[in-house]
Amino acid sequence: GIQVEQSPPDLILQEGANSTLRCNFSDSVNNLQWFHQNPWGQLINLFYIPSGTKQNGRLSATTVATERYSLLYISSSQTTDSGVYFCAVGIPGGTASKLTFGTGTRLQVTL
Amino acid sequence: NAGVTQTPKFQVLKTGQSMTLQCAQDMNHEYMSWYRQDPGMGLRLIHYSVGAGITDQGEVPNGYNVSRSTTEDFPLRLLSAAPSQTSVYFCASSYTGFGGEGYTFGSGTRLTVV
Repeated sequence: GIQVEQSPPDLILQEGANSTLRCNFSDSVNNLQWFHQNPWGQLINLFYIPSGTKQNGRLSATTVATERYSLLYISSSQTTDSGVYFCAVGIPGGTASKLTFGTGTRLQVTL
Repeated sequence: NAGVTQTPKFQVLKTGQSMTLQCAQDMNHEYMSWYRQDPGMGLRLIHYSVGAGITDQGEVPNGYNVSRSTTEDFPLRLLSAAPSQTSVYFCASSYTGFGGEGYTFGSGTRLTVV
């Protein structure tokens, strides 16, 4: 099956710093999503971005499908950004609702 | 709207017991899924459904059963609990065929099998 690798596995930032999280995938995809799991365990959908660039406030994401990677940018980080960020992909011909997740990037933002 | 509701939030089972994890959504989503999350392994798909009466296996289906008799409900049954099924279980739903911006998770069920 498709492999999804995220880097770095762990990241510690001071509040106000910027960061880039990366997601590499091993095959063509028709669905790519970024999720944030907060320290209480809740999973929040950040972006649906199978290609191109999107921005939502301090967060933005870019997917280059032809090169099989996606980037999540966090600017001016805040302590509320702490948690685990997951990339998840779906493959062409794959049935709906089947997402393959990476193992995540654990982000800690300190004061 | 309540979104995706999972019950119970916590459960302890003895090896060999059976139980049902409940998942309900009020968004009229056709597509629903069950995932388990283990430390360091991200989320893995157990079973999914593309509509009432239609279910299929995901990556790790062994030991679990599902059914989808209504659009709203997608229960997950553990037939004979084993310690290896200790995990956090998440239910998700979406209105499009490929997840998309409406992909919504429940708050999870933390299951311990002793």
